[in-house]
Amino acid sequence: DTAVSQTPKYLVTQMGNDKSIKCEQNLGHDTMYWYKQDSKKFLKIMFSYNNKELIINETVPNRFSPKSPDKAHLNLHINSLELGDSAVYFCASSQELAKEQFFGPGTRLTVL
Amino acid sequence: AQSVTQLGSHVSVSEGALVLLRCNYSSSVPPYLFWYVQYPNQGLQLLLKYTTGATLVKGINGFEAEFKKSETSFHLTKPSAHMSDAAEYFCAVLPGNQGGKLIFGQGTELSVKP
Repeated sequence: DTAVSQTPKYLVTQMGNDKSIKCEQNLGHDTMYWYKQDSKKFLKIMFSYNNKELIINETVPNRFSPKSPDKAHLNLHINSLELGDSAVYFCASSQELAKEQFFGPGTRLTVL
Repeated sequence: AQSVTQLGSHVSVSEGALVLLRCNYSSSVPPYLFWYVQYPNQGLQLLLKYTTGATLVKGINGFEAEFKKSETSFHLTKPSAHMSDAAEYFCAVLPGNQGGKLIFGQGTELSVKP
């Protein structure tokens, strides 16, 4: 009965590869997000989607492409991975834009 | 631009002692305010929130926070620390009309000594 789930939990890959992280929420929320947590634990928003529509793209390189096939899913695809992409990526969801956000367990991405 | 400052990247208390984690925000309009906790290798869990109404808000695990508009603060407290409280704590603000963008402080790591 996990509220916000992400797969995989760990992802280790080589520079230049393309990878995807999947996120699903079963809370019936309309809004989903991706956040990046760097090695200093600083959290910053990357994207937000409301009813499958992109609301925020926080100056993220266009190698990152979110895809929302339906309101319950928001996947993150990353092309041409770079060393600096190594981080923990968190998916979150909220009932609407101005409500509290619920976070997934995170995906630790390591680029070698 | 909105910002959140957490004073002290690391706080250490003894078990049973008062926990005080400080958070100040900058905003021209009082935003919604949150505290989240992150245990090692886990996601963020919502501790408590302030939206409108009563300025003293109670959360889970015995934590509470008080919104003070005049001081632009939202400090987190717990009367008696428990070993299980050891974790990273994040204060966050949700400004209006910014697409749901949560702005986080840099985090405070709480250690609890036996």
